[in-house]
Amino acid sequence: DGGITQSPKYLFRKEGQNVTLSCEQNLNHDAMYWYRQDPGQGLRLIYYSQIVNDFQKGDIAEGYSVSREKKESFPLTVTSAQKNPTAFYLCASSLGGLGQFFGPGTRLTVL
Amino acid sequence: AQTVTQSQPEMSVQEAETVTLSCTYDTSESDYYLFWYKQPPSRQMILVIRQEAYKQQNATENRFSVNFQKAAKSFSLKISDSQLGDAAMYFCAYRSGYGGATNKLIFGTGTLLAVQP
Repeated sequence: DGGITQSPKYLFRKEGQNVTLSCEQNLNHDAMYWYRQDPGQGLRLIYYSQIVNDFQKGDIAEGYSVSREKKESFPLTVTSAQKNPTAFYLCASSLGGLGQFFGPGTRLTVL
Repeated sequence: AQTVTQSQPEMSVQEAETVTLSCTYDTSESDYYLFWYKQPPSRQMILVIRQEAYKQQNATENRFSVNFQKAAKSFSLKISDSQLGDAAMYFCAYRSGYGGATNKLIFGTGTLLAVQP
């Protein structure tokens, strides 16, 4: 089945650790996105990539990093520089103006 | 900069009834897309319906339809014959039609819809 997968579903991080969230899509979409969602709020864009080996900062990129070495994959690293990383993270992909399609999300909790 | 406003934090509807969720947006662009997304308790975002700004005809997907008023910059979602499975957070979103760096979605803050049996 075509779709977007994210792993893990739940992730726990200790203070000072870097963690990486996985996002894979087999929809052959060019563009991929990472969003953060805090309780009771909408989605805020962290990073996006429109083609392989290129990505751009979104509205809240500080403390995060990404890579886009393959069309299918867009991993997000939450670094120790992100002071308040506890949130729900959503990955999405899109092709033209058809709208973005989302993965099931990863819940990150800092211990 | 574009903004999206959802003025109803919460709404409630009786099963089988009709409900309308409001969304307004602000933009100086003439080419853009508008979307409604549903986020059920599982938290996965599901695309409900999309509307191209250049199309005057309102989009419809089964029980979901929109009332797109371009001059008023209004984009409401109507859910007919509401079902218990429609209970979710609904987000309105805007995307520029000019592509490139403006492909990102701009989301409203959401409306939490409860469906009463």
